[in-house]
Amino acid sequence: GENVEQHPSTLSVQEGDSAVIKCTYSDSASNYFPWYKQELGKRPQLIIDIRSNVGEKKDQRIAVTLNKTAKHFSLHITETQPEDSAVYFCAASKPGGSYIPTFGRGTSLIVHP
Amino acid sequence: DTEVTQTPKHLVMGMTNKKSLKCEQHMGHRAMYWYKQKAKKPPELMFVYSYEKLSINESVPSRFSPECPNSSLLNLHLHALQPEDSALYLCASSQFGVSGQGLNQPQHFGDGTRLSIL
Repeated sequence: GENVEQHPSTLSVQEGDSAVIKCTYSDSASNYFPWYKQELGKRPQLIIDIRSNVGEKKDQRIAVTLNKTAKHFSLHITETQPEDSAVYFCAASKPGGSYIPTFGRGTSLIVHP
Repeated sequence: DTEVTQTPKHLVMGMTNKKSLKCEQHMGHRAMYWYKQKAKKPPELMFVYSYEKLSINESVPSRFSPECPNSSLLNLHLHALQPEDSALYLCASSQFGVSGQGLNQPQHFGDGTRLSIL
């Protein structure tokens, strides 16, 4: 089955800095890669996703890049703000059969004011 | 606003009690999921319903019993739980059933039920 590795497990930055979270996946058939943000005590919320037919996607301060050859994808947050503090999960899923995402272990992002 | 609604938000129960968790969505989604989540860990899949039929059971103990009365509702019946079952239980839905139709779609999560077993 699919295996998703996520690094780092904890990331501490100063407000205004950039943050990068990296994930690798094992199954080359995976073609959909969502990122979820989960604030303390709240539900996971989709913040951005990318499909394998594109290499990069951007939404304001958030961007995701995908390298299919290397089987890794990354989340980039620019100009971080304290409200970006949360646990971020990457996931990967493949078409056909069943759509069940495999989650990474999560990255706890702390943005210091 | 949360598009997937879960009740109750908090539940404390003894090991001999029977209780139910409820989940509701009105987005017309045909796949619904139950996840268990421990603090700062990823959601752990328990069950998947596709077009109101149970399609995946991830070897969950029988003290957890899912039910999908209709396309908008999902229940999780609890009986004789153990202290280690204390966790956040998340319900999620996605647009297509798990038959491989269409492109993969993101999951929409509810706020969860925080369950404590005494």
